[in-house]
Amino acid sequence: AQSVTQLGSHVSVSEGALVLLRCNYSSSVPPYLFWYVQYPNQGLQLLLKYTSAATLVKGINGFEAEFKKSETSFHLTKPSAHMSDAAEYFCAVRRGRYGNKLVFGAGTILRVKS
Amino acid sequence: GAGVSQSPRYKVAKRGQDVALRCDPISGHVSLFWYQQALGQGPEFLTYFQNEAQLDKSGLPSDRFFAERPEGSVSTLKIQRTQQEDSAVYLCASSLRGRETQYFGPGTRLLVL
Repeated sequence: AQSVTQLGSHVSVSEGALVLLRCNYSSSVPPYLFWYVQYPNQGLQLLLKYTSAATLVKGINGFEAEFKKSETSFHLTKPSAHMSDAAEYFCAVRRGRYGNKLVFGAGTILRVKS
Repeated sequence: GAGVSQSPRYKVAKRGQDVALRCDPISGHVSLFWYQQALGQGPEFLTYFQNEAQLDKSGLPSDRFFAERPEGSVSTLKIQRTQQEDSAVYLCASSLRGRETQYFGPGTRLLVL
């Protein structure tokens, strides 16, 4: 079975500081991993995805994530936080009989302080 | 182009009422998914369609939940005899094909009193 664990339900950073949101996965096969962002009262927007082409994945809005097989991690980072980054972030793994349903972590709410 | 749309955006139902939630996927997208997001949690998979065929309904929590996509485009999620535990945001997503990127709609927030 595949699942994801997001460490820290809330993360607070100052504007301009490094953002680090943690995600660990469990998988018996090479995973397809995703980070989504959700703004209040909106649906989920894809930030980036890992599909085994490269271990360092660059996404939108300056975010990136590094796939580390030895640590079973896929942490999301951004060098400098902006106020507009305040949102909830979800890590997800793709699984299922048809290999297409997403299994999400519990989410991490990012707060950016001015 | 237009994204995934859902209606209504908000729905308040009395316990025991039936509700119907609508999803309009992106035009041309073959695959459609429904997810349930309880307060403070990540979305959980409910069901998956490829065109009009419902290929996976393993996530539907009970036989009160029913989904259809009769013409392979618009989908409706129906919940019969709603219970308080059904209160959640119901998200619809579509993708060009099953394993492509899923694009999510804004969700329908259901509150059962």
